[in-house]
Amino acid sequence: GAGVSQSPRYKVAKRGQDVALRCDPISGHVSLFWYQQALGQGPEFLTYFQNEAQLDKSGLPSDRFFAERPEGSVSTLKIQRTQQEDSAVYLCASRGLAGDQETQYFGPGTRLLVL
Amino acid sequence: QKEVEQNSGPLSVPEGAIASLNCTYSDRGSQSFFWYRQYSGKSPELIMSIYSNGDKEDGRFTAQLNKASQYVSLLIRDSQPSDSATYLCAARYSSASKIIFGSGTRLSIRP
Repeated sequence: GAGVSQSPRYKVAKRGQDVALRCDPISGHVSLFWYQQALGQGPEFLTYFQNEAQLDKSGLPSDRFFAERPEGSVSTLKIQRTQQEDSAVYLCASRGLAGDQETQYFGPGTRLLVL
Repeated sequence: QKEVEQNSGPLSVPEGAIASLNCTYSDRGSQSFFWYRQYSGKSPELIMSIYSNGDKEDGRFTAQLNKASQYVSLLIRDSQPSDSATYLCAARYSSASKIIFGSGTRLSIRP
């Protein structure tokens, strides 16, 4: 079946602009994760959903970052009033419940550049 | 302080040799450990997971875990140029918690 998809793949924003990044997980996957990956670094955890419940948002760097998954499938990561330090690749990953629950499948990422 | 530490490299290994990648972690309660491969401009791909002390082999890859020393390693036998990538070590405390990634080690296999 289809993997995790993310859109847009690239986004250029002017400082102060709001952006919304979308993640479509693998169908039926219960868990969904958002990560931020700066150049030359490993992915940094942002937030985690189980179905529609946001169980952990400890990695969100500021209150400008907001994530939702209202129907337990598609998720949106919103960044308000973008700053240059928000420039990074934003990765979404999903994980199934039964059988292969250890494997997180990553999407291709959204590369955000804030000018 | 980063909870998962890796040498950033680059680590250069001749084709056909064994590449050895190392990682340490700080949380003694961590239960699950992962090695991801990431090609430049691509997303991470899981290549190995390990949960108990000892070795776990899968094809050319062997993961090693030593919980007493809080140490995880990945051996790649018969290294191929296609193995050139960044290898990310990751740890997780429990199945309900987040995965913590290291900064990655850049591996280069020279022909």
